[in-house]
Amino acid sequence: NAGVTQTPKFRILKIGQSMTLQCAQDMNHNYMYWYRQDPGMGLKLIYYSVGAGITDKGEVPNGYNVSRSTTEDFPLRLELAAPSQTSVYFCASSYRAGVSEKLFFGSGTQLSVL
Amino acid sequence: AQRVTQPEKLLSVFKGAPVELKCNYSYSGSPELFWYVQYSRQRLQLLLRHISRESIKGFTADLNKGETSFHLKKPFAQEEDSAMYYCALKGSSNTGKLIFGQGTTLQVKP
Repeated sequence: NAGVTQTPKFRILKIGQSMTLQCAQDMNHNYMYWYRQDPGMGLKLIYYSVGAGITDKGEVPNGYNVSRSTTEDFPLRLELAAPSQTSVYFCASSYRAGVSEKLFFGSGTQLSVL
Repeated sequence: AQRVTQPEKLLSVFKGAPVELKCNYSYSGSPELFWYVQYSRQRLQLLLRHISRESIKGFTADLNKGETSFHLKKPFAQEEDSAMYYCALKGSSNTGKLIFGQGTTLQVKP
Protein backbone atom coordinates (compact mmCIF):
# COMPACT_ATOMS: atom_id res chain seq x y z
CA ASN A 1 0.00 0.00 0.00
CA ALA A 2 1.29 3.40 -0.96
CA GLY A 3 -1.13 5.11 1.47
CA VAL A 4 -1.84 8.72 0.55
CA THR A 5 0.10 9.98 -2.44
CA GLN A 6 0.41 13.66 -3.29
CA THR A 7 1.89 15.20 -6.41
CA PRO A 8 3.77 17.37 -7.07
CA LYS A 9 6.05 17.73 -4.04
CA PHE A 10 7.10 21.26 -4.97
CA ARG A 11 5.72 23.86 -7.30
CA ILE A 12 6.29 27.53 -8.04
CA LEU A 13 3.45 29.43 -9.63
CA LYS A 14 3.14 32.93 -10.96
CA ILE A 15 0.28 35.09 -9.76
CA GLY A 16 -2.85 34.30 -11.72
CA GLN A 17 -1.76 30.86 -12.88
CA SER A 18 -3.83 27.77 -12.20
CA MET A 19 -2.87 24.32 -11.08
CA THR A 20 -4.22 21.11 -9.63
CA LEU A 21 -2.73 19.38 -6.64
CA GLN A 22 -3.26 15.68 -6.93
CA CYS A 23 -4.14 13.37 -4.06
CA ALA A 24 -4.80 9.65 -4.27
CA GLN A 25 -5.24 6.96 -1.64
CA ASP A 26 -5.27 3.21 -2.07
CA MET A 27 -6.78 2.26 1.29
CA ASN A 28 -10.43 2.43 0.21
CA HIS A 29 -10.99 5.34 2.57
CA ASN A 30 -14.28 7.17 2.34
CA TYR A 31 -13.20 10.40 3.99
CA MET A 32 -10.63 12.71 2.46
CA TYR A 33 -9.38 16.15 3.47
CA TRP A 34 -7.23 18.99 2.24
CA TYR A 35 -5.35 21.08 4.78
CA ARG A 36 -2.92 23.92 4.38
CA GLN A 37 -0.10 24.48 6.82
CA ASP A 38 1.15 28.00 7.35
CA PRO A 39 4.04 28.74 9.72
CA GLY A 40 2.78 29.44 13.22
CA MET A 41 -0.82 28.87 12.16
CA GLY A 42 -1.18 25.13 12.32
CA LEU A 43 -3.26 23.24 9.79
CA LYS A 44 -6.41 24.76 8.39
CA LEU A 45 -9.05 22.68 6.62
CA ILE A 46 -9.72 23.78 3.05
CA TYR A 47 -12.20 21.18 1.77
CA TYR A 48 -13.27 17.70 2.68
CA SER A 49 -15.22 14.83 1.23
CA VAL A 50 -17.19 12.06 2.93
CA GLY A 51 -17.46 9.92 -0.18
CA ALA A 52 -17.39 9.93 -3.96
CA GLY A 53 -19.52 12.75 -5.31
CA ILE A 54 -19.78 14.56 -1.97
CA THR A 55 -17.61 17.52 -1.04
CA ASP A 56 -17.94 20.40 1.38
CA LYS A 57 -16.10 23.52 2.44
CA GLY A 58 -13.80 23.67 5.37
CA GLU A 59 -12.48 26.67 7.24
CA VAL A 60 -10.54 28.35 4.40
CA PRO A 61 -12.09 27.36 1.03
CA ASN A 62 -11.79 30.66 -0.84
CA GLY A 63 -9.65 30.41 -3.95
CA TYR A 64 -9.90 26.63 -4.14
CA ASN A 65 -12.11 23.99 -5.69
CA VAL A 66 -12.29 20.23 -5.31
CA SER A 67 -13.96 17.25 -6.90
CA ARG A 68 -14.39 13.64 -5.85
CA SER A 69 -15.37 11.55 -8.81
CA THR A 70 -13.84 8.37 -7.40
CA THR A 71 -13.16 7.03 -3.93
CA GLU A 72 -9.42 7.09 -4.58
CA ASP A 73 -8.84 10.61 -5.90
CA PHE A 74 -9.42 14.03 -4.37
CA PRO A 75 -7.73 16.77 -6.45
CA LEU A 76 -7.48 20.37 -5.23
CA ARG A 77 -7.72 23.09 -7.85
CA LEU A 78 -6.29 26.61 -7.57
CA GLU A 79 -7.86 28.74 -10.27
CA LEU A 80 -6.10 32.11 -9.93
CA ALA A 81 -3.07 31.71 -7.74
CA ALA A 82 -2.35 34.48 -5.26
CA PRO A 83 0.65 35.01 -2.96
CA SER A 84 -1.62 34.29 0.02
CA GLN A 85 -1.86 30.72 -1.23
CA THR A 86 1.83 30.12 -0.65
CA SER A 87 1.74 27.28 1.82
CA VAL A 88 2.32 23.59 2.36
CA TYR A 89 -0.71 21.54 1.39
CA PHE A 90 -1.55 18.22 2.98
CA CYS A 91 -4.06 15.69 1.84
CA ALA A 92 -5.38 13.20 4.40
CA SER A 93 -7.81 10.34 4.50
CA SER A 94 -9.63 8.10 6.94
CA TYR A 95 -11.82 5.04 6.53
CA ARG A 96 -14.69 6.49 8.52
CA ALA A 97 -15.45 9.27 10.95
CA GLY A 98 -15.84 7.03 13.95
CA VAL A 99 -14.62 7.57 17.47
CA SER A 100 -10.91 8.29 17.48
CA GLU A 101 -10.50 7.32 13.85
CA LYS A 102 -7.06 8.48 12.81
CA LEU A 103 -6.09 10.41 9.71
CA PHE A 104 -3.45 9.23 7.27
CA PHE A 105 -1.50 12.07 5.71
CA GLY A 106 0.30 12.51 2.45
CA SER A 107 3.83 13.87 2.31
CA GLY A 108 2.69 17.35 1.34
CA THR A 109 3.02 19.79 -1.55
CA GLN A 110 5.07 22.92 -1.02
CA LEU A 111 3.59 25.67 -3.16
CA SER A 112 5.05 29.13 -3.72
CA VAL A 113 3.14 31.82 -5.57
CA LEU A 114 5.34 34.66 -6.78
CA ALA B 1 -16.52 28.05 19.00
CA GLN B 2 -14.28 25.03 18.67
CA ARG B 3 -10.66 25.91 19.08
CA VAL B 4 -7.31 24.38 19.99
CA THR B 5 -4.53 26.46 21.46
CA GLN B 6 -0.90 25.48 21.82
CA PRO B 7 0.70 28.43 23.57
CA GLU B 8 4.32 27.54 22.86
CA LYS B 9 5.77 27.76 19.35
CA LEU B 10 9.07 26.32 20.49
CA LEU B 11 10.04 24.21 23.45
CA SER B 12 13.72 23.51 23.93
CA VAL B 13 14.93 21.01 26.54
CA PHE B 14 18.03 18.97 27.23
CA LYS B 15 18.11 15.23 26.75
CA GLY B 16 16.83 13.46 29.84
CA ALA B 17 14.73 16.41 31.00
CA PRO B 18 10.96 16.15 31.41
CA VAL B 19 8.79 17.49 28.64
CA GLU B 20 5.30 18.96 28.72
CA LEU B 21 3.71 20.32 25.58
CA LYS B 22 0.62 22.30 26.42
CA CYS B 23 -2.71 22.05 24.67
CA ASN B 24 -5.95 23.76 25.63
CA TYR B 25 -9.22 23.37 23.83
CA SER B 26 -12.59 25.05 23.58
CA TYR B 27 -15.52 22.73 22.95
CA SER B 28 -18.98 22.46 24.41
CA GLY B 29 -19.51 18.72 24.12
CA SER B 30 -17.45 15.64 24.92
CA PRO B 31 -14.15 16.18 23.14
CA GLU B 32 -12.12 13.72 21.15
CA LEU B 33 -8.49 14.79 21.30
CA PHE B 34 -5.36 13.68 19.54
CA TRP B 35 -1.67 14.41 19.34
CA TYR B 36 -0.08 14.26 15.90
CA VAL B 37 3.66 14.46 15.29
CA GLN B 38 5.75 15.41 12.28
CA TYR B 39 9.38 14.33 12.38
CA SER B 40 11.85 15.93 10.03
CA ARG B 41 11.21 14.84 6.44
CA GLN B 42 8.39 12.52 7.49
CA ARG B 43 4.65 12.65 7.19
CA LEU B 44 2.36 13.93 9.85
CA GLN B 45 1.27 10.91 11.86
CA LEU B 46 -0.86 10.08 14.84
CA LEU B 47 1.04 9.89 18.11
CA LEU B 48 -1.78 9.16 20.51
CA ARG B 49 -5.46 9.69 21.20
CA HIS B 50 -7.07 10.40 24.52
CA ILE B 51 -9.68 7.69 24.30
CA SER B 52 -7.04 4.97 24.08
CA ARG B 53 -5.29 6.05 27.27
CA GLU B 54 -2.10 4.76 25.74
CA SER B 55 1.57 5.55 26.12
CA ILE B 56 3.41 5.85 22.84
CA LYS B 57 7.19 6.29 22.72
CA GLY B 58 7.02 7.19 26.40
CA PHE B 59 4.51 9.99 25.82
CA THR B 60 1.22 10.25 27.67
CA ALA B 61 -1.58 12.77 27.61
CA ASP B 62 -4.43 13.11 30.04
CA LEU B 63 -7.66 14.83 29.26
CA ASN B 64 -8.57 17.34 31.95
CA LYS B 65 -12.10 18.48 31.30
CA GLY B 66 -12.08 20.92 34.19
CA GLU B 67 -9.10 22.79 32.78
CA THR B 68 -10.01 21.94 29.16
CA SER B 69 -6.49 20.72 28.60
CA PHE B 70 -4.77 17.78 26.96
CA HIS B 71 -1.10 18.29 27.68
CA LEU B 72 1.49 15.89 26.27
CA LYS B 73 4.12 14.66 28.69
CA LYS B 74 7.24 12.58 28.72
CA PRO B 75 9.42 12.10 31.81
CA PHE B 76 12.76 11.87 30.00
CA ALA B 77 13.18 13.50 26.60
CA GLN B 78 15.27 11.84 23.90
CA GLU B 79 16.95 13.53 20.94
CA GLU B 80 14.75 11.54 18.56
CA ASP B 81 11.70 13.24 20.08
CA SER B 82 12.66 16.45 18.30
CA ALA B 83 9.73 17.20 15.99
CA MET B 84 6.68 19.36 15.44
CA TYR B 85 3.74 18.36 17.61
CA TYR B 86 0.14 19.21 16.89
CA CYS B 87 -2.79 18.89 19.22
CA ALA B 88 -6.08 18.25 17.43
CA LEU B 89 -9.76 18.20 18.31
CA LYS B 90 -12.41 16.32 16.43
CA GLY B 91 -15.34 18.61 15.83
CA SER B 92 -18.96 17.95 16.58
CA SER B 93 -19.98 16.81 13.10
CA ASN B 94 -19.76 13.24 11.86
CA THR B 95 -17.34 14.18 9.11
CA GLY B 96 -14.14 13.30 10.93
CA LYS B 97 -12.77 16.81 10.54
CA LEU B 98 -9.94 17.73 12.85
CA ILE B 99 -9.23 21.18 14.25
CA PHE B 100 -5.53 21.62 14.79
CA GLY B 101 -3.59 23.81 17.14
CA GLN B 102 -0.77 26.01 15.93
CA GLY B 103 1.84 23.39 16.65
CA THR B 104 4.83 23.28 18.98
CA THR B 105 8.34 22.53 17.83
CA LEU B 106 10.14 20.39 20.39
CA GLN B 107 13.90 20.64 20.27
CA VAL B 108 15.82 18.18 22.43
CA LYS B 109 19.44 19.16 22.84
CA PRO B 110 22.19 16.65 23.58
